Amino acid sequence: AQKVTQAQTEISVVEKEDVTLDCVYETRDTTYYLFWYKQPPSGELVFLIRRNSFDEQNEISGRYSWNFQKSTSSFNFTITASQVVDSAVYFCALSGVTTSGTYKYIFGTGTRLKVLA
Amino acid sequence: GAGVSQSPSNKVTEKGKDVELRCDPISGHTALYWYRQRLGQGLEFLIYFQGNSAPDKSGLPSDRFSAERTGESVSTLTIQRTQQEDSAVYLCASSLGGQGRGGEQYFGPGTRLTVT
Repeated sequence: AQKVTQAQTEISVVEKEDVTLDCVYETRDTTYYLFWYKQPPSGELVFLIRRNSFDEQNEISGRYSWNFQKSTSSFNFTITASQVVDSAVYFCALSGVTTSGTYKYIFGTGTRLKVLA
Repeated sequence: GAGVSQSPSNKVTEKGKDVELRCDPISGHTALYWYRQRLGQGLEFLIYFQGNSAPDKSGLPSDRFSAERTGESVSTLTIQRTQQEDSAVYLCASSLGGQGRGGEQYFGPGTRLTVT
């Protein structure tokens, strides 16, 4: 079965601290995609990044970086020098094929990040 | 270009009434998804459309829930005989490709449904 686990339900940090949001996934597919989405207090989810299962190269975008490790089935997200505007709920998601042959797009339960000024 | 739009933005209804929620995806996006998000919770998958067909209805919580999509465009989610546990934000998303094809989803602002 496919599954996405975000064990951290809520994290609070002080502005300028670095913070890592964990995401662990389960899948039997050899081809799959992983995503991170941000849901700010306004409510609308915003796509942040996509990785495919064949590309384990880490990615950096400004203060955001992502660490994809197939060996541990993890796709962690780090925010460097956090800012108050980073406060949001962050969702990790997995896209792939189920054992019955249908496609599935599965979200984790989300991690609420609070950045305190 | 225009993003995903949903209407109404808020809906208050009495228990037992039917409601219809609408989603307008991004033009050209063949895949469309409906999710439910209860207060403080994650996203609960409801149904997925590829074009006008729904290959995955596994998330619909009961036969009171139904959805359709016409013209590879607008989709409506209908909840019959609403119950208080149906209160939630209903999110719609669209993407260029179907599930499993790596397409990122673009979300609408959601419809907040309150059943009194």
